[in-house]
Amino acid sequence: GAGVSQSPSNKVTEKGKDVELRCDPISGHTALYWYRQRLGQGLEFLIYFQGNSAPDKSGLPSDRFSAERTGESVSTLTIQRTQQEDSAVYLCASSRLAGSNEQFFGPGTRLTVL
Amino acid sequence: AQSVTQPDIHITVSEGASLELRCNYSYGATPYLFWYVQSPGQGLQLLLKYFSGDTLVQGIKGFEAEFKRSQSSFNLRKPSVHWSDAAEYFCASLNQAGTALIFGKGTTLSVSS
Repeated sequence: GAGVSQSPSNKVTEKGKDVELRCDPISGHTALYWYRQRLGQGLEFLIYFQGNSAPDKSGLPSDRFSAERTGESVSTLTIQRTQQEDSAVYLCASSRLAGSNEQFFGPGTRLTVL
Repeated sequence: AQSVTQPDIHITVSEGASLELRCNYSYGATPYLFWYVQSPGQGLQLLLKYFSGDTLVQGIKGFEAEFKRSQSSFNLRKPSVHWSDAAEYFCASLNQAGTALIFGKGTTLSVSS
């Protein structure tokens, strides 16, 4: 596709439910990143994939958060037992390579936990 | 810990006036620095980046930024602001491992007529 796509665009869930957020990176981009943007805050790094491996998971806030990537393409971010503080916009980005390469961002998934 | 600071939360500029958005970074070595813009309902778009070399970098949409090592700053400038520039602007630095961007909290720009 032309850019990074994410689905769903909006997700409303009840506290305690699990949610899955999907990211389709730009074709051929080996690096993929997840960020979180809470209201009034900058973006917080969550996890970085190089291919299907995640060498940097340092930003995942708790063990309720996990992510995987398959086929060096699609990635899924899963949040288990959601809490109200998980409400945020979750942004995915991809780059051709890691490091100084430009990261291209998707439109984000707005997650609201009631 | 590595950090990026944007001291101004919100700035209002008259259309046609000049603009400067401030950004300070904390990192000992030469950082990789970026400015992104986020318009309502849009994803983040890269305006410009600095890795090395000429400390004045030109970007898209008429923006430029100057890297000043002595001040640990990378301020974004535009000589004449247009109403369409109203958006949120984020400064970011690549982390030491090269695996993630560290973002400032953003500056919201409003443009008055």
